[in-house]
This record gives sequence, structure tokens and C-alpha cells, in this order.
Amino acid sequence: GAGVSQSPSNKVTEKGKDVELRCDPISGHTALYWYRQSLGQGLEFLIYFQGNSAPDKSGLPSDRFSAERTGGSVSTLTIQRTQQEDSAVYLCASSLVARASEQYFGPGTRLTVT
Amino acid sequence: GQNIDQPTEMTATEGAIVQINCTYQTSGFNGLFWYQQHAGEAPTFLSYNVLDGLEEKGRFSSFLSRSKGYSYLLLKELQMKDSASYLCAVRLQGSTLTFGKGTMLLVSP
Repeated sequence: GAGVSQSPSNKVTEKGKDVELRCDPISGHTALYWYRQSLGQGLEFLIYFQGNSAPDKSGLPSDRFSAERTGGSVSTLTIQRTQQEDSAVYLCASSLVARASEQYFGPGTRLTVT
Repeated sequence: GQNIDQPTEMTATEGAIVQINCTYQTSGFNGLFWYQQHAGEAPTFLSYNVLDGLEEKGRFSSFLSRSKGYSYLLLKELQMKDSASYLCAVRLQGSTLTFGKGTMLLVSP
């Protein structure tokens, strides 16, 4: 089947605007993760969804960031009032609960805030 | 905080063997992972170690010593397509991963 997909692949926005990034995980994967990868930095964990449990939001950098996962499948990461430091590649990954050792990553969304 | 260290860059020659080291100081440990990431692409899973010792998978092997907080990824018979960034990551609890900054490997002819 298809892998993890993300849209858009690239997004350029003006400082102060809100953006929504979408992730479509692999069918049947109940765990979904959002990471951020800035230039010269490692992947930074943002948020984790597991089934119907409350999400682990411990990695969100500020209250401008939020995410939801509807119907246990598609997830949307929303960044409000974007700042230039939000510019990064936002990566989504999914995994089966039973095989949480392997996270399958999507191609990412490159966000540029001007 | 959590600290995962790996060299920034390495170079090697086609056909050679290269070892990429990773050291970690973390508040917990529930497995160590290696991912490969080609420029502009998503990371892809390479290996997973949770017990001490060597895990071999084709040309790639990964080693873990939990007492030393140390792992390495060994790549044999290097090919040009192995030029990529190699990411070391530690799972602290649950399923989330904490990543190092990655090692950029350049394989030359």
C-alpha cells in the first residue's frame, strides 16, 4: 500500500499568518508522530497520537502550535501567527502499535515564513 | 536534558568500511535506532538495538553498549548511493524518539 503522505510539499507564508499541514498515515497504523527538522538541527519531536488516547503534546514549542487527528487517521498540524523561526521541514511518521520500533516517515512539508 | 552526540560529517571511499559512532546521555532508555536520510527525502529505518551486542543486516550492522551509552553503525562495501545523513535516535519512553543531529556521510569514487 501507499506510504505516509503529506501536503503541501512546500508552503511559503507571511509572518503572522496561520498555516495547516496535513499528514495521511499508512492505513492501519494507529500511532502518528509529528517532528520538525530545522537546518543544522536534529529531528525535534512535536506531538504523538496513539489510538484514542490523549495525545502526548510535550514537544510542542509554544501554544501557537496545535494538532488534531480525526477519525484515528488523518492529522493536521496548525501553526498560528507564524514566526520566521517556525521555518523548517515538518515531518510526519506513523507506526503500528505492535511494531512501534519502526516509524515510517512521510516526505515532509517545507515551511518558509517570510 | 537529553544529549545524543554523533560526528557532523564523515568521508569515505567507495568499497571501504565506515563506522559512525553515537553516544547518548539520557534520562531513560528503551532502544536505539538508526535512520538513513538522503537529501530532500524522508528518513528511512535502518536498524534497532535494545540489548547489548551487534545486529547485522546485509551491508549494515549496528552495535549497542548500554553501560557505555554508546552505539555505532557499520557500513561495509560502501557504495555511492550510501552518501546520506545517518541519524541516531533514542527511545526514552513510549514510542517517541529523540534524535541526534545526524552524520553526513560522503562516499567518493
